[in-house]
Amino acid sequence: DGGITQSPKYLFRKEGQNVTLSCEQNLNHDAMYWYRQDPGQGLRLIYYSQIVNDFQKGDIAEGYSVSREKKESFPLTVTSAQKNPTAFYLCASSIGPGQGSNQPQHFGDGTRLSIL
Amino acid sequence: ILNVEQSPQSLHVQEGDSTNFTCSFPSSNFYALHWYRWETAKSPEALFVMTLNGDEKKKGRISATLNTKEGYSYLYIKGSQPEDSATYLCAFIWHDKIIFGKGTRLHILP
Repeated sequence: DGGITQSPKYLFRKEGQNVTLSCEQNLNHDAMYWYRQDPGQGLRLIYYSQIVNDFQKGDIAEGYSVSREKKESFPLTVTSAQKNPTAFYLCASSIGPGQGSNQPQHFGDGTRLSIL
Repeated sequence: ILNVEQSPQSLHVQEGDSTNFTCSFPSSNFYALHWYRWETAKSPEALFVMTLNGDEKKKGRISATLNTKEGYSYLYIKGSQPEDSATYLCAFIWHDKIIFGKGTRLHILP
């Protein structure tokens, strides 16, 4: 079955630590995205990638980093510079060339990150 | 600042009743509007991609309309069932950006 796999489902981080969230897709999609959801807010875009070895900042990229070394994988690192990392993180992919596409996005199940 | 508003924020509907809710977006430079259904403990699932003014799309008991001139889209659910309980998100595509609304949380009462 094709889809997007995010791991882990729950993640705990000590203050001052970096942590990496995994996102893998086997849909052969070119574009991948990372979103953050906070209570009472819509999904906000952190980073997106339209093609391997290329990525762009979204609306709230500060304190985060990404890489896109393979088409299937788009890991997100939450660095110690992110002052309020506790949130629900969703990864998505789409066939289309990026955000501005009429192709729908396919989402993973999410990772909930909490600070100890 | 672009704003995508969804209303109501939360809705309780008796099983068997029909319901609808709204997504409002800026009417200029429209490109596309997406609707997603997000059930608890699952991932958001695409329902519709709407691109043309006057578009009407249907998937079973769920349908959506689009008015790009006035900047709104309606999602309708006919004869609500327990499995319709979910958060319904709309996403506005504008100038190579995607902007999500906060969603409408639908609860179906038995």
